Amino acid sequence: SQKIEQNSEALNIQEGKTATLTCNYTNYSPAYLQWYRQDPGRGPVFLLLIRENEKEKRKERLKVTFDTTLKQSLFHITASQPADSATYLCALVSGNTGKLIFGQGTTLQVKP
Amino acid sequence: GAGVSQSPSNKVTEKGKDVELRCDPISGHTALYWYRQSLGQGLEFLIYFQGNSAPDKSGLPSDRFSAERTGGSVSTLTIQRTQQEDSAVYLCASSFTNQETQYFGPGTRLLVL
Repeated sequence: SQKIEQNSEALNIQEGKTATLTCNYTNYSPAYLQWYRQDPGRGPVFLLLIRENEKEKRKERLKVTFDTTLKQSLFHITASQPADSATYLCALVSGNTGKLIFGQGTTLQVKP
Repeated sequence: GAGVSQSPSNKVTEKGKDVELRCDPISGHTALYWYRQSLGQGLEFLIYFQGNSAPDKSGLPSDRFSAERTGGSVSTLTIQRTQQEDSAVYLCASSFTNQETQYFGPGTRLLVL
């Protein structure tokens, strides 16, 4: 069955460092992959989308890579700030309806 | 409106009662999705609407769950004879088409006692 795995352990880093989050998937060939941010008590907020023919995408301090051979996406936040503390969700599109299959999310804590 | 809105924001009900959750998508968005997020679990797809096409109900966990989308806009998710395991955050999302970014509402937190 299709499976998406994110590191369930919280990631604690010091302000100014680069945070790297991992998303691995199996039994799946998604056309694109998305990363969302979710704060407590709120719905997910879209951050970045990367397509299967793209290796890397950037947006300000964010960078996403997509390796369809390894079936893995990496999400980087450079020069991290305490305001970046949140749960980050990886999501793959399933089929042609656009429905998303989400990973469990990784909680990032950036300490000042 | 500026974004997806959902109501109520919180709902406490007794086991066995029916509940209705409402979603107002972003104006002009043809695709609408319902997801569920249980404590300690990821978001789980429930149902998808696209225009006038038949909905994709493949994620509904039981026949106690149903949803409709009237006039291609507002959607209502109904849970009949609620059970304690239905307690979760129910999230609605909409997108311009089914291959575009999904915009999520704040969710309805349902607690079944």
